[in-house]
Amino acid sequence: EVQLVESGGSVVRPGGSLKLSCVASGFSLDDYGMNWVRQAPGKGLEWVSGINWNGVNRGYRDSVKGRFTISRDNDENSLFLEMNSLRAEDTALYYCARGPVAAYVGVFDSWGQGTLVTVSS
Amino acid sequence: YVLTQPPSVSVAPGRTARITCGGDNVGSKNVHWYQQKPGQAPVVVISSDSDRPSGIPERFSGSNFGNTATLTISGVEAGDEADYFCQVWDVGPDEAVFGAGTKLTVL
Repeated sequence: EVQLVESGGSVVRPGGSLKLSCVASGFSLDDYGMNWVRQAPGKGLEWVSGINWNGVNRGYRDSVKGRFTISRDNDENSLFLEMNSLRAEDTALYYCARGPVAAYVGVFDSWGQGTLVTVSS
Repeated sequence: YVLTQPPSVSVAPGRTARITCGGDNVGSKNVHWYQQKPGQAPVVVISSDSDRPSGIPERFSGSNFGNTATLTISGVEAGDEADYFCQVWDVGPDEAVFGAGTKLTVL
C-alpha cells in the first residue's frame, strides 16, 4: 500500500524558516516524480513545487521561487521542502503528492494527509 | 492558465451530476479530476481526461473537448458529496494548475 507521511509543519513568524519532510513507503520512491501541493484554510488546491525521480529537474510556482527549495533522498525514501522568508500567505496545509513515473509533470495519484504550516506573528 | 469551475452543483440521489472545467483549448491538455471530502486528502477519480484509476466506481467518467472538460457522475450517491477539482499541467511556465473547485451537494 502506498503511504506518504508528512511532518515538520508548525507555527512560524513572518520571515522565518521551516523544513517539511515526507516519508514514502509501499513503493520505490526513486521511480517517481514527487510534488508538494498546498491548501490554505477553506480554499482550493495550489501546486507548490515538483522534482523528478533523480532530483535533476525541479519546478516551482512563481510566488515561492527563490524562497522554497525542494529536494529528495531516495536512499531514505524521503522528500523535503525547505521554506525560507515565510509570509502570511504561505499559511496552508502542505500535501506531499506522488507524480508519474520519472517526471513530476502529470497526475498526482497518491497523497499524504498533510502537515500544517501557520505563518503568524 | 486559468481553469474555471462552477462553485456548486446540486443533484438528487440516483441522478447524473456533471461538473465542468473550462479553459482555453483545454481539450489539447490532459485533465485530471480529484475528489476531496471534508478533512481528507484529495483522491484522483479521473486521470488523463477519461481514465479511471483502480478502485474508482464505473459511475465516474470524464470527457474533454474544445474548451471544456467534464466530470460525469452517474447514479449519484450520498457518499459522492465532496469538493471536486480539475487539474492540468501548463507547459509554458511548467506548473500544475487547479480549478477553484466545485462543491457537489446530494439533495
